[in-house]
Amino acid sequence: GAVVSQHPSRVICKSGTSVKIECRSLDFQATTMFWYRQFPKQSLMLMATSNEGSKATYEQGVEKDKFLINHASLTLSTLTVTSAHPEDSSFYICSARNPDGGNTIYFGEGSWLTVV
Amino acid sequence: AQSVTQPDIHITVSEGASLELRCNYSYGATPYLFWYVQSPGQGLQLLLKYFSGDTLVQGIKGFEAEFKRSQSSFNLRKPSVHWSDAAEYFCAVDTGRRALTFGSGTRLQVQP
Repeated sequence: GAVVSQHPSRVICKSGTSVKIECRSLDFQATTMFWYRQFPKQSLMLMATSNEGSKATYEQGVEKDKFLINHASLTLSTLTVTSAHPEDSSFYICSARNPDGGNTIYFGEGSWLTVV
Repeated sequence: AQSVTQPDIHITVSEGASLELRCNYSYGATPYLFWYVQSPGQGLQLLLKYFSGDTLVQGIKGFEAEFKRSQSSFNLRKPSVHWSDAAEYFCAVDTGRRALTFGSGTRLQVQP
């Protein structure tokens, strides 16, 4: 079964609103989680690294005020897309590194965001 | 910085034919290497991984990959492709320090 769970799997929101996506590690404590974005027919692009108890590290070109990341516990990281616009519509995938499991990285099932 | 190259954007093979998807990486040492498959609208499924040891790695669904240090390659192979193998395939590297770095992907089409 899945060891990293994402919710919701699909969400539709109106322009200007905010939407939150959750990423949970089910079987292990993840001090580090990662958020990716994938446009149709493209590869996964790393958006940010989520660090438990501290600020996220954003990749160049990613607006930290627009994509808010919170990693308040060792099993949960959230990505909030603020003031969403249609161009934010995408597939968002999280992953988590299991430090006690050979440092293996596990992926969530992904979340489809459509902004209308 | 590490990078991953998948030179083939799109490959079409006939059902039952053999398959090889290419992957080259750039990194100062030997990274951990992965192949993932993604069906349309779905998340990623891990096919196989290489950490160390035997350079020929067996994965799920009949896939295998061979690590060649001299060529900095980790090509994915399958002796006989099934129609259900049609999907996007991603090669990725993990240097142990941060997130995976993905290649651009290879889209596989399978002809009947």
